[in-house]
Amino acid sequence: DAGITQSPRYKITETGRQVTLMCHQTWSHSYMFWYRQDLGHGLRLIYYSAAADITDKGEVPDGYVVSRSKTENFPLTLESATRSQTSVYFCASGRREGRNEQFFGPGTRLTVL
Amino acid sequence: DQQVKQNSPSLSVQEGRISILNCDYTNSMFDYFLWYKKYPAEGPTFLISISSIKDKNEDGRFTVFLNKSAKHLSLHIVPSQPGDSAVYFCAATPNAGNMLTFGGGTRLMVKP
Repeated sequence: DAGITQSPRYKITETGRQVTLMCHQTWSHSYMFWYRQDLGHGLRLIYYSAAADITDKGEVPDGYVVSRSKTENFPLTLESATRSQTSVYFCASGRREGRNEQFFGPGTRLTVL
Repeated sequence: DQQVKQNSPSLSVQEGRISILNCDYTNSMFDYFLWYKKYPAEGPTFLISISSIKDKNEDGRFTVFLNKSAKHLSLHIVPSQPGDSAVYFCAATPNAGNMLTFGGGTRLMVKP
């Protein structure tokens, strides 16, 4: 189906482990984004990508790594998970042209014990 | 320092009445504003937007008002329906680039 998907939807891991959250979109949108949602903070941008092989930091990038070898995929890796990274993570995509509407995936709820 | 603020974490409204959700911003470079709606266990979905060249934009039951001098925008929902119960985020962006800055969200509860 067309759209934007995230996997896994739920993940429990332990402090210090590496975790990768996957994001896949079928619209061929140029832009892709990773956000985290925490109570009281709304959605905060972690990393974004303007095109394949182009990525840049957002507001809260520390502890995260991204890559974008293909336009449709934008994985987010927590290299050594910490409890403060317990959150709901949303991936989004958007067109290069037009004005800024972003399309969000369903989210991944990550718990770091 | 939050550049986009939604000062009301929650709002409760009776079905059929008007819901007014507010958003304030501090960055004068913001020139395009969006509202997103989020149901539990789902991603946010785009609702309505407004450019800084306008002061009002309507889409059915939803109207967004922009007061540039006050750096304030509001979303009006008339009439409110129980299905409108969700978290609403406002977002803003400057005239270049695709980065959105989101507010903290307001949880709207519409009571039957």
